[in-house]
Amino acid sequence: AQSVSQHNHHVILSEAASLELGCNYSYGGTVNLFWYVQYPGQHLQLLLKYFSGDPLVKGIKGFEAEFIKSKFSFNLRKPSVQWSDTAEYFCASYGRAAGNKLTFGGGTRVLVKP
Amino acid sequence: EPEVTQTPSHQVTQMGQEVILRCVPISNHLYFYWYRQILGQKVEFLVSFYNNEISEKSEIFDDQFSVERPDGSNFTLKIRSTKLEDSAMYFCASSEDRAKNIQYFGAGTRLSVL
Repeated sequence: AQSVSQHNHHVILSEAASLELGCNYSYGGTVNLFWYVQYPGQHLQLLLKYFSGDPLVKGIKGFEAEFIKSKFSFNLRKPSVQWSDTAEYFCASYGRAAGNKLTFGGGTRVLVKP
Repeated sequence: EPEVTQTPSHQVTQMGQEVILRCVPISNHLYFYWYRQILGQKVEFLVSFYNNEISEKSEIFDDQFSVERPDGSNFTLKIRSTKLEDSAMYFCASSEDRAKNIQYFGAGTRLSVL
């Protein structure tokens, strides 16, 4: 069975600080990985995705994530956050041989203080 | 950018009543999904739908739940007799294909069962 865990439930930081959110997945086969963001009152929006190839993927709004297969990790990073990055961030996996559902982590609420 | 739209945004119902949550997926997408998020918990998969039939469902998706694509554009989730524990945020999603399975989400319907 697939599972995704996110290490931090809440993160508070100041503008211009760097952000790194941890995500670990468990799945033995080929996996697609995603980070979604949910701004207050809005829908889940895709930040970035990994299918194969270069393990460092770049997404929208200056976010990037690195897939480390040996660690089953897909951590999200942003070098310098803005107040507008205040949101909840979800890591999700899709195991291609395990149906077509996404398995989500518990989410991390990020609060960026101006 | 095409969007998944969900109505209503908030539904309040009495225990035992039937509710229908509505979704309009992105028009060229072929795979449709419902997820839910109980307050403070993970986003959980309920059901996926393809080619006018359920392709996968979770243990949560019992006989009280049903899905339908009545007219080629709407995708509905029906809960026949709501329980208090059905109170949650319900998200609809759609994807174009199964290989990459990039799922686009609606803003959700908050269901409150009293």
